[in-house]
Amino acid sequence: DAGVIQSPRHEVTEMGQEVTLRCKPISGHNSLFWYRQTMMRGLELLIYFNNNVPIDDSGMPEDRFSAKMPNASFSTLKIQPSEPRDSAVYFCASTQGGQPQHFGDGTRLSIL
Amino acid sequence: GEDVEQSLFLSVREGDSSVINCTYTDSSSTYLYWYKQEPGAGLQLLTYIFSNMDMKQDQRLTVLLNKKDKHLSLRIADTQTGDSAIYFCAEDNQGGKLIFGQGTELSVKP
Repeated sequence: DAGVIQSPRHEVTEMGQEVTLRCKPISGHNSLFWYRQTMMRGLELLIYFNNNVPIDDSGMPEDRFSAKMPNASFSTLKIQPSEPRDSAVYFCASTQGGQPQHFGDGTRLSIL
Repeated sequence: GEDVEQSLFLSVREGDSSVINCTYTDSSSTYLYWYKQEPGAGLQLLTYIFSNMDMKQDQRLTVLLNKKDKHLSLRIADTQTGDSAIYFCAEDNQGGKLIFGQGTELSVKP
């Protein structure tokens, strides 16, 4: 079975640019989570969706961050405008029915 | 509030047992999890335990749960160099969210 698929794997861009990270959850999973991992703060939950609806976005750092889930098989996390402090590894995870979350391999984002 | 604590580093010799410890605060957690992260990779689910269990064994892995003390441990028997990674403890908070510890970096020396 295909796992959670994230793209791109790596992204390097200049500050001020818009960044879009993509995630395809495991087929049949109805919950999707976006996390950010940094050395300083560890693993932080940014936002999660149940049945394509955002349930808790309290972890989103500021208005420059937005996330959408237009259908059950696709989600995006957008940063506009990007800043150097947004540099991190961004993970997507999915699950269903209280089962353990399965993680993608992450997007390593560097903002210069 | 909810908090999960782990020691940051553990170093063992190949063939020895490793024990990674974790404390958590949310007594209403249903499941507690151990994830493994290798360099440049995502988090891989290793094992998990239901909160009404004391112990779970899965090949070289043994999970012990002391619910009274809110203490969780992961024992890896016969530790190999391929076990070198960061290990994360996590609890669920009933709302579908996972609360992760800071991760313990396990270094296995030959």
